[in-house]
Amino acid sequence: AQSVAQPEDQVNVAEGNPLTVKCTYSVSGNPYLFWYVQYPNRGLQFLLKYITGDNLVKGSYGFEAEFNKSQTSFHLKKPSALVSDSALYFCAVRATLSGAGSYQLTFGKGTKLSVIP
Amino acid sequence: GAVVSQHPSWVICKSGTSVKIECRSLDFQATTMFWYRQFPKQSLMLMATSNEGSKATYEQGVEKDKFLINHASLTLSTLTVTSAHPEDSSFYICSAVVSGTNYGYTFGSGTRLTVV
Repeated sequence: AQSVAQPEDQVNVAEGNPLTVKCTYSVSGNPYLFWYVQYPNRGLQFLLKYITGDNLVKGSYGFEAEFNKSQTSFHLKKPSALVSDSALYFCAVRATLSGAGSYQLTFGKGTKLSVIP
Repeated sequence: GAVVSQHPSWVICKSGTSVKIECRSLDFQATTMFWYRQFPKQSLMLMATSNEGSKATYEQGVEKDKFLINHASLTLSTLTVTSAHPEDSSFYICSAVVSGTNYGYTFGSGTRLTVV
């Protein structure tokens, strides 16, 4: 079974400082990894994904994430945080294996990011 | 880009009544649709997976007769909460696999259901 761990319920960072939201995963085979952001009472917005290729993935709104296979991690980063980045962030994984349920995403519990002015 | 339109955004209903939530894919064909439930400050819990023209596959612990899912066309999937009770109050989100986008998914904007 696949799983995602986001060890921090909340991350606080000052505006302008770099931010990191942590994610580790467990999956059979090679993973497809995703980051999504959710604002209150809204659906999920796609930030970035790792499918294959370069381990450093650049996404929307200046976010990036680094795939580290040996550490089974996919931490989300941004060099300079904005107050508008304050939201709930979800890491998700999908197995590359085919078959029933293969399209399903498994989400972490989410990390609330608060950027302090 | 691929958009899933989810309606209503919020709904309040009385206990015992049924509520239907619709998700429409606006510019692509959604062969597979996922339905999630999200409790406050918690992650998304997959309720069921629906494929166009076939019966939905429900996750363990999800009542099939209570949460009716219909995916009769490639552009419309519906979730009906039957005989709703206050414990069904939650945020419901649909998501579709977007073919041809290198494993992309798109999400509806969610429906806040409150049962009184």
